[in-house]
Formats: sequence, C-alpha cells, structure tokens
Amino acid sequence: RKEVEQDPGPFNVPEGATVAFNCTYSNSASQSFFWYRQDCRKEPKLLMSVYSSGNEDGRFTAQLNRASQYISLLIRDSKLSDSATYLCVVRDSSYKLIFGSGTRLLVRP
Amino acid sequence: EPEVTQTPSHQVTQMGQEVILRCVPISNHLYFYWYRQILGQKVEFLVSFYNNEISEKSEIFDDQFSVERPDGSNFTLKIRSTKLEDSAMYFCASTRTDRGLYNEQFFGPGTRLTVL
Repeated sequence: RKEVEQDPGPFNVPEGATVAFNCTYSNSASQSFFWYRQDCRKEPKLLMSVYSSGNEDGRFTAQLNRASQYISLLIRDSKLSDSATYLCVVRDSSYKLIFGSGTRLLVRP
Repeated sequence: EPEVTQTPSHQVTQMGQEVILRCVPISNHLYFYWYRQILGQKVEFLVSFYNNEISEKSEIFDDQFSVERPDGSNFTLKIRSTKLEDSAMYFCASTRTDRGLYNEQFFGPGTRLTVL
C-alpha cells in the first residue's frame, strides 16, 4: 500500500467552481499533515497545514480524519491561478516529509 | 523574504561522471534536506542533515550519494558515479528547527539533473 495516496486527476473545472481533493495515508503514527502546491517544473510550496480540528485559509479548507487516515482539501470559487498540482504531504516522527503523487487541477475560463 | 537557493538550475552530465549539486539554505536554519522528483513521479526524501551529520537517509541514498556542509552557508549533494536513473529534479529544503509539528520546510527551486 502506498504511504500517501491521491487521485491523480486531472480535475478540469470552470472558474468559480468548488473542487475537493482527497488523500489517504497508511501510517497511523504520522504526526503532521500538509497540502503543498506544485506548479509545473517548480518546487513544492506550502499551501496550508492541516490541523485535527480542520482549518480554513480564505477559499481553502482542509480537514483531517485521523480515525480514517484521510485528509481533504476544498477549494471554493476556483481561480485560473489555482491551476497546479496539489500534493498531500505527511510528516512522520523522524520529521521527513512523505509526499503523495499529487492531484492535478485545471481551472478553465 | 529569505529563500533557499540552488545551483546550477540545470546540470547535464555523462553517465559515470561525478556531480555536485549546491544549495544555500536560509541563513538561520539548522536542518537540511535533499529530495528528488523523477519526471512525472512523486517527490521522494533522500536525506536529512543536522549538526554536520546525517540524521536519516532513505534507501535511495546509497553509497553513490554523499552530503556535506563545507562551510557555514553551502549544503551539497554529491553523486559519485551518475546513472541514467539519477536523472531527476533535486530539491534542497531547510527548516529552522525540528521542534513543533508544523514547522515549514522551505524548498529551493531545484536542480534538474540530466544524465546521458
């Protein structure tokens, strides 16, 4: 089983749409959780951390379900500039980051 | 805003040659990492480094790889004898501390290594 699993997409949505990405992780001892964004041929950049109680940052909402080992990201009112690959990332007790393969989002005009 | 820098941006080499990829982490950071991403695949951890020694390494990081912090600013990844399968984007990352569950690792722009 993959350590961090994501639907690769692509998700092709119109501007203004709401889109949700899901992710599952295999290691129940994982300590912290993140969504990173990666543009084509660029470095990963932190989008937001994911806290146990769920958290929101503007149009972005992240949720964590430790019992199901499931993480989600909701993007409301999609913008063209949201087009990117969204990486689900988990950190274990050794502090290294474990990346999913990413979900590609295309926002069309 | 401080950032991680990496040089070169693109390195082309012949199979069997040695390459050194360079990184300058953010100046007050203490923990350093190398990751790689083969084209079309996920980002993979290679090695973490603290206090002038390796903290952890993955199974990818075999005897052909080494890391060094030769002075107070640079952090290097050396591949002794490159193979075709070493072709990838190599990202350096740094963080100020490992304390706290949500300390951000800041990534450099990457070095694209092409082995011919």
